[in-house]
Amino acid sequence: DQQVKQNSPSLSVQEGRISILNCDYTNSMFDYFLWYKKYPAEGPTFLISISSIKDKNEDGRFTVFLNKSAKHLSLHIVPSQPGDSAVYFCAASEYVNRDDKIIFGKGTRLHILP
Amino acid sequence: NAGVTQTPKFQVLKTGQSMTLQCAQDMNHEYMSWYRQDPGMGLRLIHYSVGAGITDQGEVPNGYNVSRSTTEDFPLRLLSAAPSQTSVYFCASSPTRASETQYFGPGTRLLVL
Repeated sequence: DQQVKQNSPSLSVQEGRISILNCDYTNSMFDYFLWYKKYPAEGPTFLISISSIKDKNEDGRFTVFLNKSAKHLSLHIVPSQPGDSAVYFCAASEYVNRDDKIIFGKGTRLHILP
Repeated sequence: NAGVTQTPKFQVLKTGQSMTLQCAQDMNHEYMSWYRQDPGMGLRLIHYSVGAGITDQGEVPNGYNVSRSTTEDFPLRLLSAAPSQTSVYFCASSPTRASETQYFGPGTRLLVL
């Protein structure tokens, strides 16, 4: 049973427009949510995170929104640029009794169209 | 600053062979982890360590062993390779917790025949 779900395997967005990537989770005990970006043949790189006590976090063109009641988070990229074409992974972590695990979604491939 | 390094970059094994994937970081991070990435499956946590001498299992630990004798190194051992272990393996580290920024290595591509 997937605890972190990214239901859109791919997304195409025009350059300059807004890209919205979505993620749903099932475990209400997750306390941090993160987004990672991955280019082919490279390791993932951290993009942005949000604590469960917040509902929004912004970093330049990237904003993450958290809706705890819906167990949903989204990543907004504005404006979208060609270099944003990559696979984006949503991740959630839970720290319980020194058990410190992180669960990743399956990823969404974002294509920025010229 | 080298960050997280992984060796080898690519390896071909025969079924039943054993090998060790090496991972090292020079950032004095306490938390280290191993993931495998398979098509359509995202990143799945194999094992992790919250500090030297401490390791624990992730989502998919079967067929893999780890040890953490130093802060810098976190090797992943395949005891008897199987075709199902064909994957790309990533090592990562963060200062203390999984929820902090994890720095990933470049990956090891493993093919088991």
